Amino acid sequence: QVQLQESGPGLVKPSQTLSLTCTVSGGSISSDGYYWIWIRQHPGKGLEWIGYIYYSGSTYYNPSLKSRISLSVDTSKNQFSLKLRSATAADTAVYYCARGLTSVDIPMDIDYWGQGTLVSVSS
Amino acid sequence: QSVLTQPPSVSGAPGQRVTISCTGSNSNIGAGYDVHWYQQLPGTAPKLLIYVNSNRPSGVPDRFSGSKSGTSASLAITGLQAEDEADYYCQSYDISLSAVVFGGGTKLTVL
Repeated sequence: QVQLQESGPGLVKPSQTLSLTCTVSGGSISSDGYYWIWIRQHPGKGLEWIGYIYYSGSTYYNPSLKSRISLSVDTSKNQFSLKLRSATAADTAVYYCARGLTSVDIPMDIDYWGQGTLVSVSS
Repeated sequence: QSVLTQPPSVSGAPGQRVTISCTGSNSNIGAGYDVHWYQQLPGTAPKLLIYVNSNRPSGVPDRFSGSKSGTSASLAITGLQAEDEADYYCQSYDISLSAVVFGGGTKLTVL
């Protein structure tokens, strides 16, 4: 059974970098056929994809966040990470990491999700 | 503004049937990309409910079904139960954005 667990500070000061790591267990992050995605949910709102990465390192970012985010993968630790620079109160949200399946390099359904972690941006 | 459009809310009485629509465009659903549905119970992470338009993961009751036609998709729930009260999201891929796209979500209320 694949499990994902987000970790990182629950409180970030404005203008600082929001950094989160997702640890994957029960499966290898290096396996072909998957993408690893970050999704956030503002309080009371819907799902917003942030970006996703393949184990090869190829990344795809939400255009609205592209200038501020970077994703990376550490295959040795079976982890992938998110960095969101210049955080503002508008970045306060529950952040989920998840695993999706691919078909002919097209991202498909997301079959495993982390439990989510609330990150507040406040001084 | 979400790329995929869902009604903000739907409701139904126990035992009834409800449907939730997901409307896209010719760059996502209409281009042939598959639609997937998620159920998010209050305070929990989303859970995969339907994948590749109409397939149910193991453990999902057959009361839930999905379909896709043209630029839209639908999620149907029959025999509505109180435990079905949740938010439901559709998801697909958009070729012009090269991106995973979600619907804005639909809140299901069981009356």
